[in-house]
Amino acid sequence: QVQLVESGGGVVQPGRSLRLSCAASGFTFSSRVMHWVRQAPGRGLEWVALISGDGDNRYHADSVRGRFTISRDNSKNTLYLHMNSLRTEDTAVYYCARDRGDWQLDSWGQGTRVTVSS
Amino acid sequence: QSALTQPASVSGSPGQSITISCTGTSSDVGGYKYVSWYQHHPGKAPKLMIYDASNRPSGVSDRFSGSKSGNTASLTISGLQAEDEADYFCSSYTRSATLVFGAGTKLTVL
Repeated sequence: QVQLVESGGGVVQPGRSLRLSCAASGFTFSSRVMHWVRQAPGRGLEWVALISGDGDNRYHADSVRGRFTISRDNSKNTLYLHMNSLRTEDTAVYYCARDRGDWQLDSWGQGTRVTVSS
Repeated sequence: QSALTQPASVSGSPGQSITISCTGTSSDVGGYKYVSWYQHHPGKAPKLMIYDASNRPSGVSDRFSGSKSGNTASLTISGLQAEDEADYFCSSYTRSATLVFGAGTKLTVL
């Protein structure tokens, strides 16, 4: 069955960097668009970024553009989120999710928590 | 891009029906069929319940149904059960080639 497992979260100081990973299994990873979505404490879900199956096309939310970069390694069935210049408002649980083909997310991981604090 | 508007909370007794609304604009909900609903039990992975505004993925109970009219989408849960208690989020593709979510609705089964 489809499995998405995020890792790499933790506590980091403002201005520092962090890389999140999402290990995928149970489907042909390279053929599917993938997303990162986050949920700040007490808040709703917020879309962060999307990457096409071949990695050639990427979209990022305005709130993270220029600081975060989504990438993937199809040889390792792994999705990444490179986060630079972290801010306290980036504190959230970060989820990776699979796109069913039309910006609708049919499988999600359980999330990894990122806390940005001095 | 502003979040889609959802009620903060709804409640119902077992066996009853409830409806959660999700209001956007013509640039998102009203302009595209790509409206989804997700069930989220805290600490677990969110689950797709409705896609294309009114379609159920395989394995989702037929007690869950969706509809859309203009800029507002709705999720109806009939025959409420205790396990339906969760947070529910709507989402929509947008004209800006992004994805926007609602703020979420907490469903309490009394």
